Amino acid sequence: DTEVTQTPKHLVMGMTNKKSLKCEQHMGHRAMYWYKQKAKKPPELMFVYSYEKLSINESVPSRFSPECPNSSLLNLHLHALQPEDSALYLCASRPILQGGEQYFGPGTRLTVT
Amino acid sequence: DAKTTQPTSMDCAEGRAANLPCNHSTISGNEYVYWYRQIHSQGPQYIIHGLKNNETNEMASLIITEDRKSSTLILPHATLRDTAVYYCIVRVLLFGNEKLTFGTGTRLTIIP
Repeated sequence: DTEVTQTPKHLVMGMTNKKSLKCEQHMGHRAMYWYKQKAKKPPELMFVYSYEKLSINESVPSRFSPECPNSSLLNLHLHALQPEDSALYLCASRPILQGGEQYFGPGTRLTVT
Repeated sequence: DAKTTQPTSMDCAEGRAANLPCNHSTISGNEYVYWYRQIHSQGPQYIIHGLKNNETNEMASLIITEDRKSSTLILPHATLRDTAVYYCIVRVLLFGNEKLTFGTGTRLTIIP
């Protein structure tokens, strides 16, 4: 199984809502990533988890709250978002010890109204 | 982070070799060059990476100049399914974690 799955595929939320994005992989990868991609722009790194611990936070606003409850699962909790946060949110995973490339999921397309 | 420069867009005829250039003049000696591509509305897909030697896999070849300041990705026989945005990335290790900083990429269109 070389797949990273993300749910939901699409999400529309209001600025006062709380929602969560979910990412799952069963490849035994111990590094997991969240990226944000605005329309016609490249992906931008948000967070990196290594062995279920937050390793890198690219100065992301606190309305985005990541969580890695176990080695297969990565969540992104969303609260009080702004319309400019509308984007494609991509998850990726990567093995740490043996190296290798990042495997990306298909993304969740988020619209904030 | 080392910056990469790529042409904004390129066209290539189906069945021909597609050669995508990338400049990375500030690359450090131990930094790898990675290539990913993103087909419309999908997540990025890994293609190939290299340090200083030329590399080849089932998808593509990577040619890195001797001074490592530039590289070329070669898709030997382009098909319509190769239409995508291609990103050249200099990989950084930060606190032991891999960090990929995507540049603006090259939009490659394969013409029938």
